[in-house]
Amino acid sequence: GAVVSQHPSRVICKSGTSVKIECRSLDFQATTMFWYRQFPKQSLMLMATSNEGSKATYEQGVEKDKFLINHASLTLSTLTVTSAHPEDSSFYICSARPGPLRFFGPGTRLTVL
Amino acid sequence: SQQGEEDPQALSIQEGENATMNCSYKTSINNLQWYRQNSGRGLVHLILIRSNEREKHSGRLRVTLDTSKKSSSLLITASRAADTASYFCATDAGTSYGKLTFGQGTILTVHP
Repeated sequence: GAVVSQHPSRVICKSGTSVKIECRSLDFQATTMFWYRQFPKQSLMLMATSNEGSKATYEQGVEKDKFLINHASLTLSTLTVTSAHPEDSSFYICSARPGPLRFFGPGTRLTVL
Repeated sequence: SQQGEEDPQALSIQEGENATMNCSYKTSINNLQWYRQNSGRGLVHLILIRSNEREKHSGRLRVTLDTSKKSSSLLITASRAADTASYFCATDAGTSYGKLTFGQGTILTVHP
């Protein structure tokens, strides 16, 4: 099946720094990718829909200036958590779709100290 | 916001028993999908059922969909310890981008 990778898998940073997470579709092109956030023992919350060559569409309550999304190519979308704070600590998962099915990356565990 | 609600929130069974998880949703859908997530890992797609389908099978998995009740169920037969994971339903409302809305999930523990 299709493969989606994320990098890094785990990051620990100090409060106030910015962190960039990459999501790549390895064997297919994805004009649309999705970014989710998942807190411990909770479900996935959609943060934004990333569209290649255009601005991302953010879900209600998600700060677009806080979570910068860049979808510069058909195989790469990046999520940058700017000026990270401890409350941003979470599991971030991306997803891409070559068709009706969605494929998910392995996730990035962000810990902000 | 999360559309789906799943019950039970947690399910603990013995190996060999069947596990049934339910999912309810609120809006019209194009299809409904079930995913599995092992602790701290990404999601694995299990099965997709379209809005015009009522039942679908895949190996030990059986999914039903009742669009009149806006509900779905996932049955895992003859469970194994390796089935221990969180299971999520996700609805595709057929929007242009095809975004999924996830349910709260069921944590399944299968004891050997």
